[in-house]
Amino acid sequence: AQKITQTQPGMFVQEKEAVTLDCTYDTSDPSYGLFWYKQPSSGEMIFLIYQGSYDQQNATEGRYSLNFQKARKSANLVISASQLGDSAMYFCAMSIRVLTGGGNKLTFGTGTQLKVEL
Amino acid sequence: DTGVSQDPRHKITKRGQNVTFRCDPISEHNRLYWYRQTLGQGPEFLTYFQNEAQLEKSRLLSDRFSAERPKGSFSTLEIQRTEQGDSAMYLCASSLVGGLAGHNEQFFGPGTRLTVL
Repeated sequence: AQKITQTQPGMFVQEKEAVTLDCTYDTSDPSYGLFWYKQPSSGEMIFLIYQGSYDQQNATEGRYSLNFQKARKSANLVISASQLGDSAMYFCAMSIRVLTGGGNKLTFGTGTQLKVEL
Repeated sequence: DTGVSQDPRHKITKRGQNVTFRCDPISEHNRLYWYRQTLGQGPEFLTYFQNEAQLEKSRLLSDRFSAERPKGSFSTLEIQRTEQGDSAMYLCASSLVGGLAGHNEQFFGPGTRLTVL
């Protein structure tokens, strides 16, 4: 069975500092994808960054980077230069291909609530 | 705006009533997903469509739940004889075929928050 674990229910960071949100995963499928989504209080899920299981380099998207350590099955999100607008719930998710049709379904962790302080 | 839209955004109903939610995916996306998110949890996969075909259903989708995507565009999720345990946010997402080695980014709608009294 696929599982995502986020062990930090809440995190605080000061504005302009960097913060790391932890994520570990478990799967026996050799092909998978790892996603991070941001969910503000409004409720929508906003895609941040993606890492494929066969990707050799860590993914980066602007202030977001993904620290992918395949042997340790971890996919931590690093946010650099935190801003007040980064305050939100952050979810790590693993993508596994469905059995038919070629689509993929996401398994989410329980999330980390990030608060950025002045 | 051409993102995923969901209607209604909020629904309050009494136990035992039927409810139906609608999702309009991004127009060129042929894959559509439904998820359910309860308070303090991450979203959980419910079901998946490619065009009009429903290709996978989670065990979470009891017999009281039915989803359709009749013309391969919008989708509806119906819950019959609602129970208090059905109270949750119901999220719809869509994605393209191909790209990201089969693990395509899913674009989410704003969700429908259901409260069953």
